Amino acid sequence: DQQVKQNSPSLSVQEGRISILNCDYTNSMFDYFLWYKKYPAEGPTFLISISSIKDKNEDGRFTVFLNKSAKHLSLHIVPSQPGDSAVYFCAASVGGANSKLTFGKGITLSVRP
Amino acid sequence: GAGVSQTPSNKVTEKGKYVELRCDPISGHTALYWYRQSLGQGPEFLIYFQGTGAADDSGLPNDRFFAVRPEGSVSTLKIQRTERGDSAVYLCASSQGGNTIYFGEGSWLTVV
Repeated sequence: DQQVKQNSPSLSVQEGRISILNCDYTNSMFDYFLWYKKYPAEGPTFLISISSIKDKNEDGRFTVFLNKSAKHLSLHIVPSQPGDSAVYFCAASVGGANSKLTFGKGITLSVRP
Repeated sequence: GAGVSQTPSNKVTEKGKYVELRCDPISGHTALYWYRQSLGQGPEFLIYFQGTGAADDSGLPNDRFFAVRPEGSVSTLKIQRTERGDSAVYLCASSQGGNTIYFGEGSWLTVV
């Protein structure tokens, strides 16, 4: 039973354009959501997070939007850069940032120069 | 070191053998986590330590898996009677005070 779903396995965008990565969840108890980025042969690296009391959090080129009624969140990267090419994991937890994380399967983003 | 350190980085073992994977968290981090990532999947939670005690071990798949953190710093994940299905990347992570969880590079385990 996949509680965090990233239904698109891959996304390809042109450098300079916006990348939109989607994530859906089924567990209404989740109250904290995170995005991690992973390069090959490296561990996941924290990118951005959002608490369920907010609907938007922005950090530089990265913005996360949360729609609780739809149990949906998205990560926007603008402008996209070739160095953004990586696997992006959506994760969720109950009880905050340092609780057990439930991850999606990831989406591979390719940014074309 | 500056980050979470895991050893070995790669381990190939025969089916039925015993394996230990070590994690050295970021200095001062009281929380330590083990996750497992299989090919094509996201990381899957195994166990979480707060200090020396296992606060949540609900992700350990069966009794062949065991983890310890005797002094509240370094942790060892122990796998007995390894099976081919145990082949995965074992990720360790640490955090402090409700802040971000930082992951190590992982230990790649292959059971042949």
